[in-house]
Amino acid sequence: DSGVTQTPKHLITATGQRVTLRCSPRSGDLSVYWYQQSLDQGLQFLIQYYNGEERAKGNILERFSAQQFPDLHSELNLSSLELGDSALYFCASSLTSAESDTQYFGPGTRLTVL
Amino acid sequence: DAKTTQPNSMESNEEEPVHLPCNHSTISGTDYIHWYRQLPSQGPEYVIHGLTSNVNNRMASLAIAEDRKSSTLILHRATLRDAAVYYCILRDPSGGSNYKLTFGKGTLLTVNP
Repeated sequence: DSGVTQTPKHLITATGQRVTLRCSPRSGDLSVYWYQQSLDQGLQFLIQYYNGEERAKGNILERFSAQQFPDLHSELNLSSLELGDSALYFCASSLTSAESDTQYFGPGTRLTVL
Repeated sequence: DAKTTQPNSMESNEEEPVHLPCNHSTISGTDYIHWYRQLPSQGPEYVIHGLTSNVNNRMASLAIAEDRKSSTLILHRATLRDAAVYYCILRDPSGGSNYKLTFGKGTLLTVNP
């Protein structure tokens, strides 16, 4: 158990809908990362937050957005969903935003778009 | 980003040592070598990392070649629980865009009972 929690575990929705994925980092960790894992693209970095502020962006679509709240939990919002958005979404946390920090991953949310 | 090359898959028997290779011929002097693994239906988990010297922890050992162009993750006694995809990742803590982990395809390790 990494100490990172993600909810829900599974999510099934329809095209065009909007969903919110939630992540609670390990106690004391200030940085949260979101990754997407699909069969064709593998594990890809989406976005990073540090202590409530966006720190870095990766291959995140404009239809996707995220935020980190004062209690440090984070939410990833996916809107106008398409079939291709079906994937595993992982949240990771680290103590700081330092590049050398170990990242601890949650169990993921499996999103299925029908 | 410096690139890593790993075999697509490897097979081992339970209780035997496993050596997982990684080539990184374009590694820079400040790149650390990190290993993560992903067990089935789970998120990735940190295994070990090193810069130049060999490293040991409770999970594994990391052997780094003298020229740092390759490294080997060593599982001393494989168990069924070690069956996973193993990722070798280079990270440079001196700054830049390496806050993220850049995952390749990794090596799928199968452990036979």
